Formats: sequence, structure tokens, C-alpha cells
Amino acid sequence: DAGVIQSPRHEVTEMGQEVTLRCKPISGHDYLFWYRQTMMRGLELLIYFNNNVPIDDSGMPEDRFSAKMPNASFSTLKIQPSEPRDSAVYFCASSPWDRGIYGYTFGSGTRLTVV
Amino acid sequence: AQSVTQPDIHITVSEGASLELRCNYSYGATPYLFWYVQSPGQGLQLLLKYFSGDTLVQGIKGFEAEFKRSQSSFNLRKPSVHWSDAAEYFCAVGQMDSSYKLIFGSGTRLLVRP
Repeated sequence: DAGVIQSPRHEVTEMGQEVTLRCKPISGHDYLFWYRQTMMRGLELLIYFNNNVPIDDSGMPEDRFSAKMPNASFSTLKIQPSEPRDSAVYFCASSPWDRGIYGYTFGSGTRLTVV
Repeated sequence: AQSVTQPDIHITVSEGASLELRCNYSYGATPYLFWYVQSPGQGLQLLLKYFSGDTLVQGIKGFEAEFKRSQSSFNLRKPSVHWSDAAEYFCAVGQMDSSYKLIFGSGTRLLVRP
């Protein structure tokens, strides 16, 4: 398996623009997670899905952030409009239902810079 | 609410020396516990995990960790550190109930002296 695939690896955008981050989870994994990593706040869980349904979005910082999972093999995290404080590395991860046995697998991340 | 504490922000060890990274968690029941490693500019790689059974778990790259319920700890150890082990290490806790949240500690950055 190719693992969790995220795109793009790097994104530089201007303040006010819309940004879309993409994630392809491991085939067969029921759960998908979006995390944000910053120096100040570390790794924060933003939202997670089970079988394409959002289960917990309590970590989504503002209404400017939205996430979708239209099918089992694709998810997006959108920021509209983007602000400089959104600059961070965004990770996607996936897990099978028996996560205690197999754990959570992370993608390589998208480094977002908002100028 | 569950939480994870990694009390050491930075640790420096000499190559060949032993290593122990500390992790304490707060959770009302037995949790799932994980250690991840992140090299600069890279994603997180799973080193090892505990979910039941033997409290001493072996992982990749020669790492091991011991779950101590009485101390709410899950410390990571390696008997002999290699220069390539220099990275950031994250402890994480997951609930065993229906929630699939994985909560991370703030990380410990390991520096290795030649």
C-alpha cells in the first residue's frame, strides 16, 4: 500500500485566498483524521470521520475551516478565507477500526504558508 | 479529559548512550498508547503501541516502551542511541471507548552528540 497520501506537499497562498488540502487514506481504513501542527500548539486534532461521516469537529478552529469526505478514498480540508495564522503543517491520518492492533498511519503533511 | 505530558522539551545524549523519554498520561481507564517519531520535514512514523497484554512492548529501530499503570506512564527507551535517532518524539493516547481521538503530547526533541 502507498500509505496515506497528501497533496500538495507545500502551499503558499496570499491572505484571503481559498486553500484546499487533499488526502487519500489507506484503502480499507474506516477512520480519517485531520491534524494541524504548529510550534505554539503542537499537534491538534481538527476533525475525524468514520465511514465518511464527520464524528467530531470540535477541534476545527473557526467557520473558515471546513472538511469533507465524499467517499472512502478522498477527503479535503478547506480554509476560506485564509489568514497568516493558519500557517502550519496539516497532517492527514487514517486508521482501521481495530486501531489498537494496527495504529494510526500519518501522511507526510502539507506545509501551508499564508502571506 | 484525557491528556499527555512529555516533561522534557529537549534531551541530548551521546551516541551509544542509553535513552529514556518520559510520557505521562491522564485517562480514567486503560488507554491505547503510542510513540511516534518525526524527522525534520517529515510525517509521523509509528514506533510502537500498547493496547493490552505484556506491559513491555517492542517497536521498530530498537525502541521499547513500558506501560506502568500505577504511574500513568509509558516511557520510551533505547539501550544504545545512534546519530540517526535524532528527531522529535511524540507520545499519544487514544481512548478505548467509541471515541477514536488520538491526543498527542508536546513532543521531545532528541539531539545526539557524536
